[in-house]
Amino acid sequence: ILNVEQSPQSLHVQEGDSTNFTCSFPSSNFYALHWYRWETAKSPEALFVMTLNGDEKKKGRISATLNTKEGYSYLYIKGSQPEDSATYLCASLTDKLIFGTGTRLQVFP
Amino acid sequence: EAGVAQSPRYKIIEKRQSVAFWCNPISGHATLYWYQQILGQGPKLLIQFQNNGVVDDSQLPKDRFSAERLKGVDSTLKIQPAKLEDSAVYLCASSLFTGIMETQYFGPGTRLLVL
Repeated sequence: ILNVEQSPQSLHVQEGDSTNFTCSFPSSNFYALHWYRWETAKSPEALFVMTLNGDEKKKGRISATLNTKEGYSYLYIKGSQPEDSATYLCASLTDKLIFGTGTRLQVFP
Repeated sequence: EAGVAQSPRYKIIEKRQSVAFWCNPISGHATLYWYQQILGQGPKLLIQFQNNGVVDDSQLPKDRFSAERLKGVDSTLKIQPAKLEDSAVYLCASSLFTGIMETQYFGPGTRLLVL
């Protein structure tokens, strides 16, 4: 993998559903993996920064895992709420921060 | 604490015109970044400053883009002359230092449309 790739591109879920997205990144020259949430018309907000293989981070209903050996990270949202609707960006830090194209999440009431 | 400020929020210009964007980072943050996000793509780093020095400008199209951070605080990014493909969101971010675990704090961005 040469670029940072995210899947799916977009996701529509019902309120209360749990969901997860994938971020794939080059495993060579890897320093850290960042997750951001970007709501429309607002600033991207940092969620997590992870560096170690097997790292798991949690913030409320959102959690993330990291596998540096195979080059992927999962972001989980438990019991999605309408206010979780946003684009979720991951970025891999090598010599600079390389962003994926994001997963656009829409949560319907 | 106040966040990263950017202005203007929106700008519409015609091709070949010039445009400038302004960014004021979080107070005390030594590192400042400018990113370009074209629709359907992830943000791409244009330039990184450490205080008033350039750390990385390898992806800045220097024939038309310029940026400065003269006093090591706020920064301006200029495009002269603009092309249609410059239509994008221009994001400014800052961080306390440059480090592996350092979080970048983003401003709301400037949405540029070149007609």
